[in-house]
Amino acid sequence: GNSVTQMEGPVTLSEEAFLTINCTYTATGYPSLFWYVQYPGEGLQLLLKATKADDKGSNKGFEATYRKETTSFHLEKGSVQVSDSAVYFCALSAGQAGTALIFGKGTTLSVSS
Amino acid sequence: DTGVSQDPRHKITKRGQNVTFRCDPISEHNRLYWYRQTLGQGPEFLTYFQNEAQLEKSRLLSDRFSAERPKGSFSTLEIQRTEQGDSAMYLCASSSQGGNTIYFGEGSWLTVV
Repeated sequence: GNSVTQMEGPVTLSEEAFLTINCTYTATGYPSLFWYVQYPGEGLQLLLKATKADDKGSNKGFEATYRKETTSFHLEKGSVQVSDSAVYFCALSAGQAGTALIFGKGTTLSVSS
Repeated sequence: DTGVSQDPRHKITKRGQNVTFRCDPISEHNRLYWYRQTLGQGPEFLTYFQNEAQLEKSRLLSDRFSAERPKGSFSTLEIQRTEQGDSAMYLCASSSQGGNTIYFGEGSWLTVV
């Protein structure tokens, strides 16, 4: 079946460090891929998405490239800030538009000044 | 900004009681989803509506759970005879027909004591 695997956290970084959070997926067909972020006490916010192979999603300095050959969608940011501390979820949507998302377990990022 | 809204945000109930959560989706969205999230885990899909029709239900949605969307606008999720294992955050989300981005509310926390 369809699934998403994320690197386990927590990830602890100093401000301005480079961030990578690994995400790989298993899916039939051609899924859309997403990164959501959840700040403490809040719901999920869409961070970025990519809908086909080689697409790059980007937002707020975060980027992720849809790699079909490695079934990956790793999240990167060149210089993290304290305000980026949150839980990051990788997700896929494997069916038609609007099909329910399948999430990874989430990776907690903690950035210190 | 009228995003997805959920009510109540927090609910503490005694084991065996019934609880109901309400979700108001983004107004032009005809698709509505319910997810459950426990501590340290990613959201898990429960059920999905297109307009008033409930099109998909997860195996996680036991007989004690029922969701409705009677007029194709707001939705309710009722849990009967609550158990301690039902303690979780219940997330509602919505999307437009043809859109592949799902927008989440802030969630309703349920604690069963």
